[in-house]
Amino acid sequence: QSALTQPASVSGSPGQSITISCTGTSSDVGSYNLVSWYQQHPGKAPKLMIYEVSKRPSGVSNRFSGSKSGNTASLTISGLQAEDEADYYCCSYAGSSTLHLFGTGTKVTVL
Amino acid sequence: QVTLRESGPALVKPTQTLTLTCTFSGFSLSTSGMCVSWIRQPPGKALEWLALIDWDDDKYYSTSLKTRLTISKDTSKNQVVLTMTNMDPVDTATYYCARTRGMIVVVGGKPRRFYNWFDPWGQGTLVTVSS
Repeated sequence: QSALTQPASVSGSPGQSITISCTGTSSDVGSYNLVSWYQQHPGKAPKLMIYEVSKRPSGVSNRFSGSKSGNTASLTISGLQAEDEADYYCCSYAGSSTLHLFGTGTKVTVL
Repeated sequence: QVTLRESGPALVKPTQTLTLTCTFSGFSLSTSGMCVSWIRQPPGKALEWLALIDWDDDKYYSTSLKTRLTISKDTSKNQVVLTMTNMDPVDTATYYCARTRGMIVVVGGKPRRFYNWFDPWGQGTLVTVSS
């Protein structure tokens, strides 16, 4: 199975909202509410930001929210801040054969 | 506090076998729902899930790499080991281990396992494959 598709880059000004899409298929994103999102700053390990489509782990800002419609999941960052500049990856459970698929990654730039 | 740390060689030669160890603390792999996954990231590229081992010693592998991968655990030492055979320069990457959450859900009257998020991650270890 192929990686989930994300836009290569998304940008926004401080205070604005941006949305990152993550498109899969009916075998992964469309079949399970097990989509998670990870933030990765340069040279650092990824950090869990959203799990089970829309749940936030303790300590993650409520400026981050997730949703899903059909085969596409989305991550929205509201009130964009300089510290949000990073790479973002989605991931979906994809069944007992493939187990997990990551997205292609999106670089978020704060203008 | 849950922590994970990867260890292994920084440099391996083509055709050699890579052995990586993930040493963790703050949870037990004998606890229901606890799993450890390996994920890699070539320089400048995206994340790629490699393998998972769960609390019941069930093991899962990336479809494209399953013939080269073996994952195992030593619960008493809080360690998970990943071996990858026949290393190639395209396998140059930072290799991460991460705690993963598993769950059993009854679907159609039968128990099924599902695997969820990765949190936290280890710091990663860069492995370069070169002669």
